[in-house]
Amino acid sequence: GNSVTQMEGPVTLSEEAFLTINCTYTATGYPSLFWYVQYPGEGLQLLLKATKADDKGSNKGFEATYRKETTSFHLEKGSVQVSDSAVYFCALLPLSYNTDKLIFGTGTRLQVFP
Amino acid sequence: SAVISQKPSRDICQRGTSLTIQCQVDSQVTMMFWYRQQPGQSLTLIATANQGSEATYESGFVIDKFPISRPNLTFSTLTVSNMSPEDSSIYLCSVETLGTEAFFGQGTRLTVV
Repeated sequence: GNSVTQMEGPVTLSEEAFLTINCTYTATGYPSLFWYVQYPGEGLQLLLKATKADDKGSNKGFEATYRKETTSFHLEKGSVQVSDSAVYFCALLPLSYNTDKLIFGTGTRLQVFP
Repeated sequence: SAVISQKPSRDICQRGTSLTIQCQVDSQVTMMFWYRQQPGQSLTLIATANQGSEATYESGFVIDKFPISRPNLTFSTLTVSNMSPEDSSIYLCSVETLGTEAFFGQGTRLTVV
């Protein structure tokens, strides 16, 4: 079946440090892949996405590359800020999106300190 | 894109009572979903809200506990019935649009006392 595995948190970093949050998936075919972010007290917001192999999604300094060979979609940022503190969810949408639903990872809490 | 308005944003309810959460979308969408996010956990899909027919529930969720309405393509409600403290969670409405992207409401933070 389809599944998403994320690294456990919390991830604690100092401001301007490099961030990597690992995400691997299991799916048939070529799903679309997403990173969602949830700031404290809010709903989920789409951070970035990739819909095919080797695509790179990017937004607000965050990047993730769809790696079919390693079934991964790791989230990276070169220099984190305190305002990046949030919970990050990796998710996949199977190929037949009109009959299947988003599948989420467990979420990774990021805490950035000044 | 789609803008979702969900209300109430939070509520504190007595056990044994029911709460209805509303989800309004600014455009017509085919797919609408309701999720639960228990404290410190990821999202769990409760059901798919189908326009004009009964909702499709995921394993572990039943209509008697979580009745859902979807009278048109822009609106849905989720009711949490006969609440207990274990129902304390964030409930999220979500829509998916053509182009494989999902949008979420701000969530309803429910505390049952």
